[in-house]
Amino acid sequence: GENVEQHPSTLSVQEGDSAVIKCTYSDSASNYFPWYKQELGKRPQLIIDIRSNVGEKKDQRIAVTLNKTAKHFSLHITETQPEDSAVYFCAASPDDKIIFGKGTRLHILP
Amino acid sequence: EPEVTQTPSHQVTQMGQEVILRCVPISNHLYFYWYRQILGQKVEFLVSFYNNEISEKSEIFDDQFSVERPDGSNFTLKIRSTKLEDSAMYFCASSGPGRKYEQYFGPGTRLTVT
Repeated sequence: GENVEQHPSTLSVQEGDSAVIKCTYSDSASNYFPWYKQELGKRPQLIIDIRSNVGEKKDQRIAVTLNKTAKHFSLHITETQPEDSAVYFCAASPDDKIIFGKGTRLHILP
Repeated sequence: EPEVTQTPSHQVTQMGQEVILRCVPISNHLYFYWYRQILGQKVEFLVSFYNNEISEKSEIFDDQFSVERPDGSNFTLKIRSTKLEDSAMYFCASSGPGRKYEQYFGPGTRLTVT
């Protein structure tokens, strides 16, 4: 079955700097790659997604890239702000289910 | 903006007891899911449900688990005989017509088995 690896597990960046989170997946049948943000004690929130027929997608300060050949995808957050502090999960979907990575705890330092 | 809702927010139960976790998906959604998250760990898929039947389930979703859509709005997860290791946050999610893959999560039910 699908396996999603995510790095790093923890990331600290200065406010205003960029943050990059990287993921790999194993199942070439996966064709949908969502990213979720989870604040402490809250639900996972879908923040951006990308489909396998697209290489890059941007939404304001957030961008995702996908390399299907290498089975890599990444989340880029620019001009980070304190409210970006959270756990971010990458995920891959080969069919009806979403398979999550282990998460990256992002700390935005003042 | 419509959201998935779940009740209760926290359920404490004794080992061996049955629990039912309830979810109200977004009203025009057709695909329903349950996930669980053990404290500090990743979110794990349990089951997907469409057209009144299970479309996929994980290894975690064994005979102790069942799902039901008893009416037009609710979607429930039943655990027949809870074990200590069932303690986790359980999230319901739903996705809509034409956007099957975009799953929106509820706030979760924290299940504590003692």
